[in-house]
Amino acid sequence: QKEVEQNSGPLSVPEGAIASLNCTYSDRGSQSFFWYRQYSGKSPELIMFIYSNGDKEDGRFTAQLNKASQYVSLLIRDSQPSDSATYLCAVNSDNRDDKIIFGKGTRLHILP
Amino acid sequence: DGGITQSPKYLFRKEGQNVTLSCEQNLNHDAMYWYRQDPGQGLRLIYYSQIVNDFQKGDIAEGYSVSREKKESFPLTVTSAQKNPTAFYLCASSLDSLGTEAFFGQGTRLTVV
Repeated sequence: QKEVEQNSGPLSVPEGAIASLNCTYSDRGSQSFFWYRQYSGKSPELIMFIYSNGDKEDGRFTAQLNKASQYVSLLIRDSQPSDSATYLCAVNSDNRDDKIIFGKGTRLHILP
Repeated sequence: DGGITQSPKYLFRKEGQNVTLSCEQNLNHDAMYWYRQDPGQGLRLIYYSQIVNDFQKGDIAEGYSVSREKKESFPLTVTSAQKNPTAFYLCASSLDSLGTEAFFGQGTRLTVV
């Protein structure tokens, strides 16, 4: 059974600090990694994707991928109260028979 | 406007009734998915379709049925056999199943009354 694991939280971070969200996955064949943000009562929205080892930056967000250790992380710099949400990690392979697999999500709370 | 449209946004069902949730996309995506989300929980896959006229069961398919007669449409029927259908239902699509990202509709909140 392919799995994606996340700490459910809540993770509380002071406003202006760096929030660090982590995710591990079980399938070594995984090739694509995604971070979604979900506000309460709303649908998930894609905020970052990463395919290669290393860091990928987009504004205040940085995704980090380490395939050898099978983990992917999301850093949010200068955290804002509007960043308070649940963050879902998702993983996919390039095997046509596979499907995208989501973690259960980490609840992030930014303290004003 | 390209995107995924789910309807209705809210749906109430009497016990013993079947109801159908609509999902339409104009993104020309091959793959479509249905997920169920319960309060404070993650996404659970109900059914998915990688191509027209083909679909596969996900992790919690019992009590649900789907069809994929058109590329743009992937309706989900919640049957009376689903014993606890009250949940938030999310439809998603991706260009293909080969590692591309999924985009979500706005969801349908189903309540049994």
